[in-house]
Amino acid sequence: GAGVSQSPRYKVAKRGQDVALRCDPISGHVSLFWYQQALGQGPEFLTYFQNEAQLDKSGLPSDRFFAERPEGSVSTLKIQRTQQEDSAVYLCASSLLSSGGRQFFGPGTRLTVL
Amino acid sequence: QKEVEQNSGPLSVPEGAIASLNCTYSDRGSQSFFWYRQYSGKSPELIMSIYSNGDKEDGRFTAQLNKASQYVSLLIRDSQPSDSATYLCAALTGGGNKLTFGTGTQLKVEL
Repeated sequence: GAGVSQSPRYKVAKRGQDVALRCDPISGHVSLFWYQQALGQGPEFLTYFQNEAQLDKSGLPSDRFFAERPEGSVSTLKIQRTQQEDSAVYLCASSLLSSGGRQFFGPGTRLTVL
Repeated sequence: QKEVEQNSGPLSVPEGAIASLNCTYSDRGSQSFFWYRQYSGKSPELIMSIYSNGDKEDGRFTAQLNKASQYVSLLIRDSQPSDSATYLCAALTGGGNKLTFGTGTQLKVEL
């Protein structure tokens, strides 16, 4: 596809459930980023991959959050034992270069934890 | 102090006027800056990037960077109702590997 795609677009989870969010970056983009955006706030950095290597996970809020990009393309963000404070929009972005550069965002996944 | 600061607005301007959006940043090591537009319920869309001091123009948009003052701005000329959105300022930080965003400024262009 021409842009970054994410699925699902919406996810409702009961507190304590595990969820998996998928990101398909722009073909050929080396770098992939996950951000979390709360209502009325700017996106907050979670983690960064260069190809399959996770080079920065300093923004992951707890050890319940895990991300992977095993083949250097598609990435999955997994949240275990979801909590209400995890409710947010999760945005994936990709960049052509190995450094951050110009990042292009997908449509996001809106997660609601009940 | 947040690393990237913006006035949350709303900033209201009449149609056809110039909208001026401002942003300050705290990390002097930041070298690259970006403006994203975000419509309600949508994801951020990249509209401008700037890396050097001075002005950079692209159509109706002009980005300005002053590294000495740690200040970035976005001017939108001939504002249109379709420009009504939240504008996010972002700086590339963390050694150039992640974007740090401001909270965004809501712009309203009125008929």
